[in-house]
Amino acid sequence: NAGVTQTPKFRVLKTGQSMTLLCAQDMNHEYMYWYRQDPGMGLRLIHYSVGEGTTAKGEVPDGYNVSRLKKQNFLLGLESAAPSQTSVYFCASSYLLGHGSSYNEQFFGPGTRLTVL
Amino acid sequence: SQQGEEDPQALSIQEGENATMNCSYKTSINNLQWYRQNSGRGLVHLILIRSNEREKHSGRLRVTLDTSKKSSSLLITASRAADTASYFCATDGTSGTYKYIFGTGTRLKVLA
Repeated sequence: NAGVTQTPKFRVLKTGQSMTLLCAQDMNHEYMYWYRQDPGMGLRLIHYSVGEGTTAKGEVPDGYNVSRLKKQNFLLGLESAAPSQTSVYFCASSYLLGHGSSYNEQFFGPGTRLTVL
Repeated sequence: SQQGEEDPQALSIQEGENATMNCSYKTSINNLQWYRQNSGRGLVHLILIRSNEREKHSGRLRVTLDTSKKSSSLLITASRAADTASYFCATDGTSGTYKYIFGTGTRLKVLA
């Protein structure tokens, strides 16, 4: 099993350009997440999904859109990139152990390092 | 806003010593998790402790949880150079939204 994979690994954009980050997982997990990590800020949740066809906003959703058309894929889109979106982006997925409770660990991808000039 | 805040922000110890890092959080939780991140890599899950548990062990790791103080600690015993990494706590909420909030992390450096 590949686990959680992310493409691309690195990307440099100019302000105003758009791009899509792809996250794929082969563990049949229901939940998927997108985080950004900035120095000294830890991880901040951008958007998440609790199942195919559903998405929800996290802490810092502005400037990003997501789609979960297939259970194994979670896409993060930047419509008009800004320098403030320079960051390392991590995707994660998890399964639900107990009904109605979130007793689950998250499995992380290796990250995408994005620079917006 | 960050739910979890780790303390200290950075810690440097000698190989063989114990390392203790703390996490404080703001709201009620179902469970708290600890993750490790090696430089340039994704996070790796270490241990999960539920809100009705007070202590949990896994190998050289010991985690405690005090829900009355909204705090947790991670103890790594007999540290090794390979333990050098950043450590994060992550908490969920009791609303069932299945999202986790990560703290700002403790950077641990173990000197050989």
